[in-house]
Order: sequence, then C-alpha cells, then structure tokens
Amino acid sequence: GAGVSQSPSNKVTEKGKDVELRCDPISGHTALYWYRQSLGQGLEFLIYFQGNSAPDKSGLPSDRFSAERTGGSVSTLTIQRTQQEDSAVYLCASSSLGDTQYFGPGTRLTVL
Amino acid sequence: SQQGEEDPQALSIQEGENATMNCSYKTSINNLQWYRQNSGRGLVHLILIRSNEREKHSGRLRVTLDTSKKSSSLLITASRAADTASYFCVTSNTGGFKTIFGAGTRLFVKA
Repeated sequence: GAGVSQSPSNKVTEKGKDVELRCDPISGHTALYWYRQSLGQGLEFLIYFQGNSAPDKSGLPSDRFSAERTGGSVSTLTIQRTQQEDSAVYLCASSSLGDTQYFGPGTRLTVL
Repeated sequence: SQQGEEDPQALSIQEGENATMNCSYKTSINNLQWYRQNSGRGLVHLILIRSNEREKHSGRLRVTLDTSKKSSSLLITASRAADTASYFCVTSNTGGFKTIFGAGTRLFVKA
C-alpha cells in the first residue's frame, strides 16, 4: 500500500513568512508524529497525535509552531513568522498504536 | 535531553568487519527500535525489540536489549559499503507513546 507522503518536498521562504507543511499518513494508522532534523543532527521530536486524544505538543520549540490533524488522517504543521533557525528537514511518521513508525520523505525547509 | 543516546557518535570500519553500536535510555520502555538513515534520504526501520525480549535477529542484524541497564546494542555482521549510514535508536515509553531519537551513530564502511 501507499506509504507516508509529505508535501512539498522542498520549500524556500523568506524570513517572517508563514509556511504550511503537509503529511498524509498510512491509512489506518492512529498515531502521527512530526520531527525535524537539522543538518547533520539527530531527530528532534515536535508533536504527536494519537487517535482522538489531545496531541502531545511538548516538543514544539516555540508558539510559532502549531499542528493540526483533521479527521484523524492528514496533518498540517504550520510555522508562523519563520526564522532562519527553522531551516531543517521536517519529517512526518505514522504508526499503529505503539508499533513501528513509518517515515515520509520529509520536507526540506530553507528560510532565507 | 534526548531519551535515547547512541554510542559511539561515529564509527569507521573496513568492509567485512562487524560494527557494534550502543544505545542507552533513561526511562521504562515499551519497545526499542533501530532505524537507518542514508545521507539525504528518509529513515528506514531496521528492527524492533520489545521490552520483554532480550535478543532479536534479522539477516545480518542482531539487536540485544538489557532493561536492567537500560541499554541496547545493534550488531551488523559482515558489513558492506552500502551499510554506510547514520543509525538511530528510538524508544517508546510505557507512560505514553512519545518516541524520542538520539543523535545517532554515523557508520562509515570502507570498501
């Protein structure tokens, strides 16, 4: 079946602009994660959705970051007033409850 | 700080040699997973070991888990140049399902 997809694959924006990143998880997966990875670094957890429960937002670095998951499926990560330090690859993953995470290809965000 | 921490940070070996990477974590877990990330590409799941398991094999991979020491090791036998990648350990905590990655071990296999 189809894997996790993300769009856009690349996004270049100017400092101060808002951006939206999209994640389509694997159908039927109840859990959805967002991570970001700066160049040469490990993954930084951002936010986690599980079913209809309130999301775990403990990893969001500032109030400029927010995410939604509509209908328990597609998720959008929004970064407002982007800064240069937001430049990174943003990865989305989905899983069945407590099981293996399947990752999307990521969105490479560059803030000029 | 990160829940999972890999050791060493970088490892360089000759093709055919074995590579061992270690991961330590801090809290109780449901399972521990190892992922591989090739440069500039997505993460690939390698193997999952549950908290009630001590050892698991998959092809040339062998993973051990010691919950008393809160540590895991990943052994890649008969390494190949294609194994060159970063390897991450991931833990899923018993208190919830948040999963945290360490910074990874960068493995370089020389042909």
